[in-house]
Amino acid sequence: AQSVTQLGSHVSVSEGALVLLRCNYSSSVPPYLFWYVQYPNQGLQLLLKYTTGATLVKGINGFEAEFKKSETSFHLTKPSAHMSDAAEYFCAVSVGYGSGSRLTFGEGTQLTVNP
Amino acid sequence: EAQVTQNPRYLITVTGKKLTVTCSQNMNHEYMSWYRQDPGLGLRQIYYSMNVEVTDKGDVPEGYKVSRKEKRNFPLILESPSPNQTSLYFCASSFAASGGGYTFGSGTRLTVV
Repeated sequence: AQSVTQLGSHVSVSEGALVLLRCNYSSSVPPYLFWYVQYPNQGLQLLLKYTTGATLVKGINGFEAEFKKSETSFHLTKPSAHMSDAAEYFCAVSVGYGSGSRLTFGEGTQLTVNP
Repeated sequence: EAQVTQNPRYLITVTGKKLTVTCSQNMNHEYMSWYRQDPGLGLRQIYYSMNVEVTDKGDVPEGYKVSRKEKRNFPLILESPSPNQTSLYFCASSFAASGGGYTFGSGTRLTVV
């Protein structure tokens, strides 16, 4: 079975600083990997996803993530934080044929951006 | 507009009173799923459906039922709600080929007293 671990339930950065949110996964077969963002009182929005091919994936709002198989990681980064990036971020994984129905989420990381 | 619509957005009910949360999508997606979100636990899958009349249990199915009679609708039924089902619920849908790129509804906040 697949699983996801997000390191750090709360991350705080200054506006303009690098954002780094950590995600490690466990899977016995090649995974599909996702980052979602949740703004207050809203549903989840897909930021980016890795399925196959290029391991550096670019998403919306200037975010990107790199799939590193050797480290079983899919960390999310953004070079310069903006106040509007404050939200909760979820890493997720699915594996295998038909697996898109079985998406497993991490526990989430709350990002705070300080002025 | 492509979307997943859940109703109601907020619901307060009493223990044991049957309720249904509706979910509808207008994108012709094959996959639909229900999740509950609880503080510190992230999102946990309750049930999912890979197509009409095809449903299966997720990680936390106890106390819930679902049906998929039409492709666009995937209601969540709580036959006898209990306080431990107080949570934020999300419906989501996706194309089978997306590998998990779900589109989420806005959520239903359920309180069982």
